[in-house]
Formats: sequence, structure tokens, C-alpha cells
Amino acid sequence: SAVISQKPSRDICQRGTSLTIQCQVDSQVTMMFWYRQQPGQSLTLIATANQGSEATYESGFVIDKFPISRPNLTFSTLTVSNMSPEDSSIYLCSVDRGQGNREQYFGPGTRLTVT
Amino acid sequence: GQNIDQPTEMTATEGAIVQINCTYQTSGFNGLFWYQQHAGEAPTFLSYNVLDGLEEKGRFSSFLSRSKGYSYLLLKELQMKDSASYLCAVRDPAGGYQKVTFGTGTKLQVIP
Repeated sequence: SAVISQKPSRDICQRGTSLTIQCQVDSQVTMMFWYRQQPGQSLTLIATANQGSEATYESGFVIDKFPISRPNLTFSTLTVSNMSPEDSSIYLCSVDRGQGNREQYFGPGTRLTVT
Repeated sequence: GQNIDQPTEMTATEGAIVQINCTYQTSGFNGLFWYQQHAGEAPTFLSYNVLDGLEEKGRFSSFLSRSKGYSYLLLKELQMKDSASYLCAVRDPAGGYQKVTFGTGTKLQVIP
């Protein structure tokens, strides 16, 4: 398995502000993913982040709203920009070690509340 | 398109066996995951099936039939702590990014 940490674990933010969520993995991984889980819902993929290239966003998610960085093989950030109450959700980082081990693991998540 | 279906809720008795089904229709297929998620927590990896057949891990087993687009998760000797949501997810290699799409999850309640 992989040890994945996220910061912050939770935050309460005001409308119109931005929050950057950090994801740190204990070893190098090829692919990192950012998911959102709104209250009572399943997981929705926001984007895929590979080191050295721009993130690939899913339908309904745009870079201006959710900019992502992937500076190296163990770290990524997701920023939730210009927040509104509809952005209140749990944001989860996930990793796939890639070749030879295709299991996918999740970080503990960041619980975001926008007031 | 992608479509993953699972029952919304199930109830089972402590000590019994429960089978949670998942059917999928995806443009591509490169494996199926099962995750357990307790309320307020992140999903925990349970299994990953790529080939047809049954894989057993202790009290949990997962089955896959690629030709039928069908999987199930079997939980034996149910314990109260097994009350959780169980998420079926399919990896689709379309687009080259090995995207994993989740079903809506099955909320399992284990009763005494």
C-alpha cells in the first residue's frame, strides 16, 4: 500500500477565498488523482496529475477553478479557487503506483466547508 | 459513456453472508476495484480484479465476469464493524490516463 497524507484535514473558509490542499506520498508514484465527494454522494474525479505535464481535467472541472501542481513524483496540490458554498465537500488525493502495481489508494481527505 | 450500477442500500444480519453486486458499462476496461468507506472516512482499498474469477482475501471475496460486465463483493461472517458503504469502481484506459470511475456505492447495515 501507500502512505498518503493530506493537509489540511479540514477547513472552514469564506466565500470568494481560495484554499490549497497538499498531498504527500511516502514514495514515488506515477499517477496522482484528485477526487471530490459531496455530502451523501460517491466520488467524482476532478483531474489526473502526472509529473511534468499539465493536469487532465474531467468534464465539468476547469483549471481556473481547480488549479493543480505536480512538481515531483511524491507531491501534488489542488487549489479550490473563488469558493462558494457549493464547493463544500471532501477532497481526496489518490495515487496509482503504475507499472506492476495497479492498486489505487486514497489519502485521508480534506473536509472543506464554505460559508 | 460509463455507467456503474450497484444497489443503494442493503441490510444483513451479524454472522451471515452478504453479496453486493455491481454491473458496469464502460468504453474500456482495465480492472475493477472494491472499496470500503465508513462514514466520515476515506475509502479503504479492498480488492482489484483484472481477470475473470473469484479472488478471496479472508472474509472478503470479489468476483469478476468481464463478458457480463458484472462483479460482486462477498462478505462472510458479517461483523457489526462491516457496516459501511461499499464502492465499486472501474478503471477505463480510454484517453491514456487510466481513469477510475466510481459507482454510487452500496450502504450496508449489519444488524444484530
